[in-house]
Amino acid sequence: GAVVSQHPSRVICKSGTSVKIECRSLDFQATTMFWYRQFPKQSLMLMATSNEGSKATYEQGVEKDKFLINHASLTLSTLTVTSAHPEDSSFYICSATDGFYEQYFGPGTRLTVT
Amino acid sequence: GQNIDQPTEMTATEGAIVQINCTYQTSGFNGLFWYQQHAGEAPTFLSYNVLDGLEEKGRFSSFLSRSKGYSYLLLKELQMKDSASYLCGGMDSNYQLIWGAGTKLIIKP
Repeated sequence: GAVVSQHPSRVICKSGTSVKIECRSLDFQATTMFWYRQFPKQSLMLMATSNEGSKATYEQGVEKDKFLINHASLTLSTLTVTSAHPEDSSFYICSATDGFYEQYFGPGTRLTVT
Repeated sequence: GQNIDQPTEMTATEGAIVQINCTYQTSGFNGLFWYQQHAGEAPTFLSYNVLDGLEEKGRFSSFLSRSKGYSYLLLKELQMKDSASYLCGGMDSNYQLIWGAGTKLIIKP
């Protein structure tokens, strides 16, 4: 089956610093990648949708200048949390689709901002 | 507006059968997904229904009624490893997934 990787799996950073999370589709070309965040005991919240070579589409309430998304190739998308604060601590998950309906999820990145 | 409703938590006994219901309201409809998510892990795909009826896949089955905006996930011969959250997601006309809050399933011996 299709495999999506995320790196890092866990990151702890200090308040005010920036953190980059990578999402890669390992064995297929991802026409679209999605970034979600998930707080404990809550469902997935879509942050943005990105298509290769174009600007990401952000959901209402998600600051595009704070959560920078770059979808540079058909196998790689990055999410950069800029000037992170403790309230940004969350589980960030990416998913990718190859143009069909199913989304393949990465293993997630747990971000802790101290 | 768009909305997905599913129970917050359910409890069942090992070896038994459990049905997790989901009702949905989406702008347009391109299918209904069920995913399983263990604590601290990413969701994994279970099923996709776009036509009415029952889709069976091993111990898991998923049902869809488009006229009622209703789906259920049926788990048979429950095992302890089935303890997880089950996410219902409806795909709207823009092919965007609208997620329910998830149903936490607790399996007791």
